[in-house]
Amino acid sequence: QQPVQSPQAVILREGEDAVINCSSSKALYSVHWYRQKHGEAPVFLMILLKGGEQKGHEKISASFNEKKQQSSLYLTASQLSYSGTYFCGTESEGSNYKLTFGKGTLLTVNP
Amino acid sequence: DTGVSQDPRHKITKRGQNVTFRCDPISEHNRLYWYRQTLGQGPEFLTYFQNEAQLEKSRLLSDRFSAERPKGSFSTLEIQRTEQGDSAMYLCASSFGNSGANVLTFGAGSRLTVL
Repeated sequence: QQPVQSPQAVILREGEDAVINCSSSKALYSVHWYRQKHGEAPVFLMILLKGGEQKGHEKISASFNEKKQQSSLYLTASQLSYSGTYFCGTESEGSNYKLTFGKGTLLTVNP
Repeated sequence: DTGVSQDPRHKITKRGQNVTFRCDPISEHNRLYWYRQTLGQGPEFLTYFQNEAQLEKSRLLSDRFSAERPKGSFSTLEIQRTEQGDSAMYLCASSFGNSGANVLTFGAGSRLTVL
């Protein structure tokens, strides 16, 4: 099943913080976060693995609650360049490397 | 490393015609994925390969769709007898398969418009 993202959209002023949530009904092996700007390919931001390993960017952090099958992406001191659509992608236990994406969260950062 | 390349970037076709998209993954990547994305939606999984083997195909995928990855290098996605509902962005992604992180690198996509 497709993971559920919230909120669907958020508007910020430069310097403000945002949290984007992703939840799944399945037991997860990993959660991936990607950002897509209009007309461009999704770009990898962060991966969180079951067991706590985390790989990603400097100014963006994330958490993974394995018991609740939830992940949150934290964007602090937002910059104009953070604008775009954020997708979480999930690998379920036994999914054999298949990544299923949520519908996305549109983030707009204004000056 | 030139990234993931997709060709053509745009394709306009008439309903009923066949179309083929090509994806060239990052050379050392052994996994290759095809996704479809429509406006306002996340990428929808279509199929994926590990080397030349097609390991999974979406149950939602019509028999009109077929994908190949001969010799485990580039891949093609063919859509036969296109329908207007096939209009979408077709994204290819590749990854290097080892234990742990399976990070996908996406290509810029092939946009299909069926008239």
